[in-house]
Amino acid sequence: EIVLTQSPGTLSLSPGERATLSCRASQSVSSSYLAWYQQKPGQAPRLLIYGASSRAPGIPDRFSGSGSGTDFTLTISRLEPEDFAVYYCQQYGSSRTFGQGTKVEIK
Amino acid sequence: EVHLVESGGGLVKPGGSLRLSCAASGFTFSNAWMTWVRQAPGKGLEWVGRIKSKTDGGTPDYAAPVEGRFTISRDDSKNTLYLQMNSLKTEDTAVYYCTIDYAYFLYWGQGTLVTVSS
Repeated sequence: EIVLTQSPGTLSLSPGERATLSCRASQSVSSSYLAWYQQKPGQAPRLLIYGASSRAPGIPDRFSGSGSGTDFTLTISRLEPEDFAVYYCQQYGSSRTFGQGTKVEIK
Repeated sequence: EVHLVESGGGLVKPGGSLRLSCAASGFTFSNAWMTWVRQAPGKGLEWVGRIKSKTDGGTPDYAAPVEGRFTISRDDSKNTLYLQMNSLKTEDTAVYYCTIDYAYFLYWGQGTLVTVSS
């Protein structure tokens, strides 16, 4: 099983700042089969990025994904108030597993 | 428009059983691979298992913590996905979501809460 480790656990930032979230895999994720999700309290997760760098329909371009192999990054270029949430990575190269999440909170 | 509506959650004692349903609409259910994901209170997302479309074999796969206790099935005539949960443990307490499995998960239901407690 591929284990995904996200860092940091919590990111404290102000609106307008840049957020950089990391997702590291215990082994190489084939063909960059990695996705990112946003989840707000009481809501189902929302797909942001798939294939490591492709934005899902309707996702603003301030969200971008990058990386390959074992190291992946989600970047939010300028935080909007609605971006404060928990973010999860998920790999689908070998079965499916999720990272433990990174909370982006208002500083 | 895609809709996924889970039902069947509730309170059950340890060792008990429960069957969840997920009613699907807005897409060709019979062609879709479907997945269950759960989230324990205050915790992260956990993949539970998936079932392939019948044209791709219709076979299920499970995460290790539920293998042998949970069974995923589908009724394509009713556009419904099921999760039969047996020998429930307190650690199975979670919100259970059904999703369309494109390998990643674009569409999610609203979830149904399962509480395992004596």
